[in-house]
Amino acid sequence: QKEVEQNSGPLSVPEGAIASLNCTYSDRGSQSFFWYRQYSGKSPELIMFIYSNGDKEDGRFTAQLNKASQYVSLLIRDSQPSDSATYLCAVNMGLSGGGADGLTFGKGTHLIIQP
Amino acid sequence: KAGVTQTPRYLIKTRGQQVTLSCSPISGHRSVSWYQQTPGQGLQFLFEYFSETQRNKGNFPGRFSGRQFSNSRSEMNVSTLELGDSALYLCASSSQGGTGNTIYFGEGSWLTVV
Repeated sequence: QKEVEQNSGPLSVPEGAIASLNCTYSDRGSQSFFWYRQYSGKSPELIMFIYSNGDKEDGRFTAQLNKASQYVSLLIRDSQPSDSATYLCAVNMGLSGGGADGLTFGKGTHLIIQP
Repeated sequence: KAGVTQTPRYLIKTRGQQVTLSCSPISGHRSVSWYQQTPGQGLQFLFEYFSETQRNKGNFPGRFSGRQFSNSRSEMNVSTLELGDSALYLCASSSQGGTGNTIYFGEGSWLTVV
């Protein structure tokens, strides 16, 4: 069973601090990794993606990938109350090895930014 | 550029009925995938279509089916509805749908089965 694991939270972070969200995945052959943000009652919104080991920065967001440890994380700097949402980690695990294999999602981490 | 459009947004059906949901992808995107989201199971992949062909399918029963038209619009159908089919159904599109291509979600169709 190919899995993506996330701590469900809630993760409570003071405004202005760094929020750190973590995700592990089971399939060592996974090639692409995505972070989505989902507000209550809304659909997931892509924040960023990462393919290569290391860090990728986009504004206040940094994605970190460590394929050897099968670990991907998302850091949110200068957290704002508007960042309060559920953050979904998604991994392309190559279910069939061809075409669009579908993403395997974690169940998400509920992040609360305290003003 | 318009996003992914899903219709209807909300619907209520009775057990045993069937339902058809529609999705129009982002202009120029040829890959459409469908996901089901429930509180218990989270987001789960249903199937993906590219150029009118189903390329991959998740672990769902045959009651769940879909198709894609020549203009890349897609529909999914659920027959013989069960209470457990109550969920948010999300359509997503991408330009190619291959590994590494990002997918963008529509606003979803909220299905309630009573």
